[in-house]
Amino acid sequence: GQQLNQSPQSMFIQEGEDVSMNCTSSSIFNTWLWYKQEPGEGPVLLIALYKAGELTSNGRLTAQFGITRKDSFLNISASIPSDVGIYFCAGHEGGSQGNLIFGKGTKLSVKP
Amino acid sequence: DAGVIQSPRHEVTEMGQEVTLRCKPISGHNSLFWYRQTMMRGLELLIYFNNNVPIDDSGMPEDRFSAKMPNASFSTLKIQPSEPRDSAVYFCASSLSTASPQHFGDGTRLSIL
Repeated sequence: GQQLNQSPQSMFIQEGEDVSMNCTSSSIFNTWLWYKQEPGEGPVLLIALYKAGELTSNGRLTAQFGITRKDSFLNISASIPSDVGIYFCAGHEGGSQGNLIFGKGTKLSVKP
Repeated sequence: DAGVIQSPRHEVTEMGQEVTLRCKPISGHNSLFWYRQTMMRGLELLIYFNNNVPIDDSGMPEDRFSAKMPNASFSTLKIQPSEPRDSAVYFCASSLSTASPQHFGDGTRLSIL
């Protein structure tokens, strides 16, 4: 089935640094979503994107829906220790309804 | 506002036993999803319902797995008989519609010995 390529797999950064991660697909997506998962919890929705080229912010987080509709980016500015977790991209393919496809996740570690 | 509520949070049982996982979706949400998460395979969609009707169960591993949604506020995922390879974290999620962003519960960590 369809897979999302999410990179990088993991990141080790210093507190205060900016972070960037991305997802690509081989087919067109109608929706891109970004989630964060912390240990022992379920994924929490951070940002939802609905239109090609859309740029949306949520505090220090900014995500973009790629113009080609086959990719999306998530940036975190001025990272802090509580940003630690696994970040997942997810999306609905064009024409699909419920089948939300997930990337494998980017594990973020922040050193104080 | 209450989010998606799953129970139990943890379940440890011996292989061959029946396991029932429960989910209460967010009130007003019409779509409900069951996922399984493992290190090897990540998040996998097992089945989803819209307006209490199963729409796609192609992700259900085999006949040992079954899911029901008797009403808009409750769903169960049952494994009978359970096997060690079923050990994983099972998540329930709900959304306003099938194409809306999904909101996840905190999961049930299942261990089959």
